[in-house]
Amino acid sequence: AAGVIQSPRHLIKEKRETATLKCYPIPRHDTVYWYQQGPGQDPQFLISFYEKMQSDKGSIPDRFSAQQFSDYHSELNMSSLELGDSALYFCASSSLRLAGVGGTQYFGPGTRLLVL
Amino acid sequence: RKEVEQDPGPFNVPEGATVAFNCTYSNSASQSFFWYRQDCRKEPKLLMSVYSSGNEDGRFTAQLNRASQYISLLIRDSKLSDSATYLCAASMDSSYKLIFGSGTRLLVRP
Repeated sequence: AAGVIQSPRHLIKEKRETATLKCYPIPRHDTVYWYQQGPGQDPQFLISFYEKMQSDKGSIPDRFSAQQFSDYHSELNMSSLELGDSALYFCASSSLRLAGVGGTQYFGPGTRLLVL
Repeated sequence: RKEVEQDPGPFNVPEGATVAFNCTYSNSASQSFFWYRQDCRKEPKLLMSVYSSGNEDGRFTAQLNRASQYISLLIRDSKLSDSATYLCAASMDSSYKLIFGSGTRLLVRP
């Protein structure tokens, strides 16, 4: 079965640079979530989109922005990168339309970002 | 205090053992619960969804106690391949974002 696709899988950036992470949800999934997982930490929710509209916002820095496009893929844009942004960034998708209330989230393989 | 709490472990058990993890949540508005398995530097993989009182899938059984606000995961006949970190997560109907616990590490030894 098709899974969530994320690209790139690894990214190395310098401080103050920008980065764009991409997420392609499971086909027919309408909701995308972004999570950040620092070393030794649990995943922390950043932001989510349902049907191309932002549905919830968590602990996402103002330097970060995201959107969901008409084909349901999502991009997380990160500017003025800091050393502390080094982490694993996961995208998850679910189908709220099919599942009704709730909706199990399936995670992509993640993008490992290292800021030097 | 974290909204979802787990014993970090590690739980070190022999193959074939039965092991149980508990997870407590503080927000009574939480409606849906999940157990994910995460291997080192990999993505969380869904093990089980828990919406009502419990769920069973092969060697794995999850139970939900809303009155006491905890979820448990029971693993029977542990295999070496069960060694991983087990993440408990909760979500509310008003927002489907997952709130994770810090994870419980399981080591299954030969």
